[in-house]
Amino acid sequence: KAGVTQTPRYLIKTRGQQVTLSCSPISGHRSVSWYQQTPGQGLQFLFEYFSETQRNKGNFPGRFSGRQFSNSRSEMNVSTLELGDSALYLCASSPDRASEQFFGPGTRLTVL
Amino acid sequence: AQSVSQHNHHVILSEAASLELGCNYSYGGTVNLFWYVQYPGQHLQLLLKYFSGDPLVKGIKGFEAEFIKSKFSFNLRKPSVQWSDTAEYFCAVTISGGYNKLIFGAGTRLAVHP
Repeated sequence: KAGVTQTPRYLIKTRGQQVTLSCSPISGHRSVSWYQQTPGQGLQFLFEYFSETQRNKGNFPGRFSGRQFSNSRSEMNVSTLELGDSALYLCASSPDRASEQFFGPGTRLTVL
Repeated sequence: AQSVSQHNHHVILSEAASLELGCNYSYGGTVNLFWYVQYPGQHLQLLLKYFSGDPLVKGIKGFEAEFIKSKFSFNLRKPSVQWSDTAEYFCAVTISGGYNKLIFGAGTRLAVHP
């Protein structure tokens, strides 16, 4: 089976812009979660989607949002980008809400 | 709030040395426990997991971990490390009951010298 794929792999944006990141889960996986990885804060949970519904949300401002489509693919959006949003954004998929998660390679976002 | 502590931020070992990385979590209920590894330039990979049953779990590449409920610990071990084990190791937990919110420790950077 193909693994979790994320596009794009690299992004450079400027402050105030918005960005959309995409994640395709492993075939058959219905849960998609997003994480932010930074040197200072480590790996932090953003949100989880299952059956097109957000099931869990981490402690991030409302500028961070996401959605899941009927084919389980997911997107996350960050509006009004700030310098501190520079990070590696990881997507993980799972067959359901009680199994291990498999991670994609991430999208590295740089905000200038 | 739940949290995960990894005791060692940096560990340097010589090949063939034994490895033990500490992990403690704070949550009084039932948890699922994981160790993930991130090799240089690669994405996070699952090393091993504990959901229930035998508290001693074996993972890939000769790694094992022991869940000690009374100590809220899930330490990772390997009897003899190799240069290829150089990576960053993350301990993580989810709360049992249908939640996919992984709470990660800060990570331990392991460098193995030949």
